[in-house]
Amino acid sequence: DADVTQTPRNRITKTGKRIMLECSQTKGHDRMYWYRQDPGLGLRLIYYSFDVKDINKGEISDGYSVSRQAQAKFSLSLESAIPNQTALYFCATSEGQGRRDEQFFGPGTRLTVL
Amino acid sequence: AQSVAQPEDQVNVAEGNPLTVKCTYSVSGNPYLFWYVQYPNRGLQFLLKYITGDNLVKGSYGFEAEFNKSQTSFHLKKPSALVSDSALYFCAVSFPPGTGRRALTFGSGTRLQVQP
Repeated sequence: DADVTQTPRNRITKTGKRIMLECSQTKGHDRMYWYRQDPGLGLRLIYYSFDVKDINKGEISDGYSVSRQAQAKFSLSLESAIPNQTALYFCATSEGQGRRDEQFFGPGTRLTVL
Repeated sequence: AQSVAQPEDQVNVAEGNPLTVKCTYSVSGNPYLFWYVQYPNRGLQFLLKYITGDNLVKGSYGFEAEFNKSQTSFHLKKPSALVSDSALYFCAVSFPPGTGRRALTFGSGTRLQVQP
């Protein structure tokens, strides 16, 4: 969905490097999310933000940090990348109603850590 | 533990036949339930959701899902499968307030393969 964009789309890096994945949205949504997808494990939530001043850890936040620079931007950082962080990363957004709202996903970033 | 499960890694069906992709949940209280689809090299797309009311929910691309509270299931169905339905399908649950989970929890995904 072009309303949610992610950069880069693909990235290969080495162990120990710092990596930032960026997400931007034009949907005007307050809520933004970062997931990682691994085969057989579905999507697992890394961090989520319900507004610019609200940042929350998800189920697998260790080794990751986030920054909500504006309503439209939510970045995910790997401070020191390790090989088991190789995965497909998705950003998503939803409106402010919370529980009942569907999420809109970006196209994903494929990250490989060597 | 409160969770959502998709018991089948893959479902194979012939084009024109009905399809079912299974999802069960384990949640105390009243969850909200969702289905998403992921086509190759794409992000997830919303298909349908159950919030309250009629147990049969209709969604995009001719898909529907039936909420069954007694069996804690939310199976995805389509009366006549198309080859273009081949994709990865995810069930997701939004847990009630007080569970400590404020965002969606996804199942592990089921790959649907529709043969011509």
